[in-house]
Amino acid sequence: DSGVTQTPKHLITATGQRVTLRCSPRSGDLSVYWYQQSLDQGLQFLIQYYNGEERAKGNILERFSAQQFPDLHSELNLSSLELGDSALYFCASSVGTVKETQYFGPGTRLLVL
Amino acid sequence: DQQVKQNSPSLSVQEGRISILNCDYTNSMFDYFLWYKKYPAEGPTFLISISSIKDKNEDGRFTVFLNKSAKHLSLHIVPSQPGDSAVYFCAASVINTGTASKLTFGTGTRLQVTL
Repeated sequence: DSGVTQTPKHLITATGQRVTLRCSPRSGDLSVYWYQQSLDQGLQFLIQYYNGEERAKGNILERFSAQQFPDLHSELNLSSLELGDSALYFCASSVGTVKETQYFGPGTRLLVL
Repeated sequence: DQQVKQNSPSLSVQEGRISILNCDYTNSMFDYFLWYKKYPAEGPTFLISISSIKDKNEDGRFTVFLNKSAKHLSLHIVPSQPGDSAVYFCAASVINTGTASKLTFGTGTRLQVTL
């Protein structure tokens, strides 16, 4: 158990809908990262927050957004969902922002029908 | 553009033998490298890392080798155990700028350790 929790574990929705994925980092970790893993793909970095502020952005679609709240949990919002958004979404956390081991949650499996 | 490549999607090794997983990268800015292991239905778990100022780092049965001139790193597992059967991801990061350390992952190698 990495100490990072993600909810829900599974999510099935329809095209055009909007969903919110939630992540609680390990106790004491200030950084939260979001990654997407599509079929047969490696993990693609989406976005990072540190202590409530956006720190780095990857190939995150404009339809996707994220935020980190004062209690340090984070939410990833996916809107106008398309079939190709079906993937595993992982959250990771670390103490700081540089050269810190990232600890991953179990992921949320999203299926868009 | 895949900046981190794991060209072997799968590898099968007998228990007790050495497992060698390979990873190549193209971005010369990468200066920190990590290996993660992933079991089904779980998130990746950190295994071992290496900074670009080193060419080897060892932790128990796991050793990572870095060849900067070839932009190549490898993970050696000796001896391999059935519990090592998992998908192994290589990841790279740029940390010398002192800013956020996003990880760039390879596509993974599925290791099967057979009895």
